[in-house]
Amino acid sequence: ETGVTQSPTHLIKTRGQQVTLRCSSQSGHNTVSWYQQALGQGPQFIFQYYREEENGRGNFPPRFSGLQFPNYSSELNVNALELDDSALYLCASSLFSSDSYEQYFGPGTRLTVT
Amino acid sequence: AQSVAQPEDQVNVAEGNPLTVKCTYSVSGNPYLFWYVQYPNRGLQFLLKYITGDNLVKGSYGFEAEFNKSQTSFHLKKPSALVSDSALYFCAVRDEGSNYQLIWGAGTKLIIKP
Repeated sequence: ETGVTQSPTHLIKTRGQQVTLRCSSQSGHNTVSWYQQALGQGPQFIFQYYREEENGRGNFPPRFSGLQFPNYSSELNVNALELDDSALYLCASSLFSSDSYEQYFGPGTRLTVT
Repeated sequence: AQSVAQPEDQVNVAEGNPLTVKCTYSVSGNPYLFWYVQYPNRGLQFLLKYITGDNLVKGSYGFEAEFNKSQTSFHLKKPSALVSDSALYFCAVRDEGSNYQLIWGAGTKLIIKP
């Protein structure tokens, strides 16, 4: 059973640029959630994808968008990067069911916007 | 509005002593409560959860947590701390009415001194 993987590990971008972060879900999981974790803070929910559709979104602007593919891997896209977007971006996979809610996290992508 | 509070930024415990990391929550409906641990430059690892049933929940690495509905608390405990327990601990809650969001505390840094 493979765990959740994310790429790249680190990324440096310039304000105004666009970035794509990638996540591979844990085997058998059909749901992926993305979180933003600023330094010294807890994770903030960005959105969740289930069966290739967004089925929940936190308080993030539309320039944060995502995709989920048939193999349940996922992408997070951020347009028009701002300095405040600098953070650790975490992907978590889970099995969407009524009995199991624990999420399994990847190691994260550290994004720095200059 | 749903919220989670971890009142202590940092907890210091001597190795071998019992430890407690505090968490209180506010949600509408029945809470689904979680504890996660984060090691430096790593993603979040699931420790334990409370969904329903026994108020004392046992989890990974010898940790347990006690759900107290009247005090809206879910404190993390361990009878005997290890130096390797030093990490950042996050409490999270999901409202029964929400399929999506985990609301996270700001985290508590646990330092175990030899």
